[in-house]
Amino acid sequence: DTAVSQTPKYLVTQMGNDKSIKCEQNLGHDTMYWYKQDSKKFLKIMFSYNNKELIINETVPNRFSPKSPDKAHLNLHINSLELGDSAVYFCASSQDNSLEKAETQYFGPGTRLLVL
Amino acid sequence: AQKVTQAQTEISVVEKEDVTLDCVYETRDTTYYLFWYKQPPSGELVFLIRRNSFDEQNEISGRYSWNFQKSTSSFNFTITASQVVDSAVYFCALSYNAGNNRKLIWGLGTSLAVNP
Repeated sequence: DTAVSQTPKYLVTQMGNDKSIKCEQNLGHDTMYWYKQDSKKFLKIMFSYNNKELIINETVPNRFSPKSPDKAHLNLHINSLELGDSAVYFCASSQDNSLEKAETQYFGPGTRLLVL
Repeated sequence: AQKVTQAQTEISVVEKEDVTLDCVYETRDTTYYLFWYKQPPSGELVFLIRRNSFDEQNEISGRYSWNFQKSTSSFNFTITASQVVDSAVYFCALSYNAGNNRKLIWGLGTSLAVNP
């Protein structure tokens, strides 16, 4: 009964490959997020979807493309992987994302990506 | 501009000591939210507390307590009688109005080591 799940947990791949990370939440939340945590533990928002609509799109390379087939799923596809993409990628979800109230974000276990 | 500063990069204590983790924030918003998350060595991000800018009451949850002071823009976290299981990286975060939605900006984290 995991609330926010991600697969795979570990991903080791060669430079230039294309890979996807999947995220699913069973909390009934409307909003999902992708974060990147670098080697110094710095957390940065990458994307956010609310009810399948992209609402946050930070300055990330075009090689990163999120896809939300429904509000319970948010996948991250990365093309032409580079060494600098090595990081931990976290998926999160919250009830919604409104200006009136900041709902708590609940995080998945993370996907540790290593590009060789 | 929005900013979260966790000036303590690393703290090391002996079990049963009390320890306070500092968080100082900057924002121009009048309505904002503050959060603390814990990241244990296993890597997941665990939500601890959410506080809105209109609620300056201190909060206590077991051995954890939080002191929110708008006058000093601080939201400090104290662990009483620390235990080895408290060893983790602790993040403070600020939710701010980013135009059409809210975003979280994160501190760099404080790594707490509780030694037996």
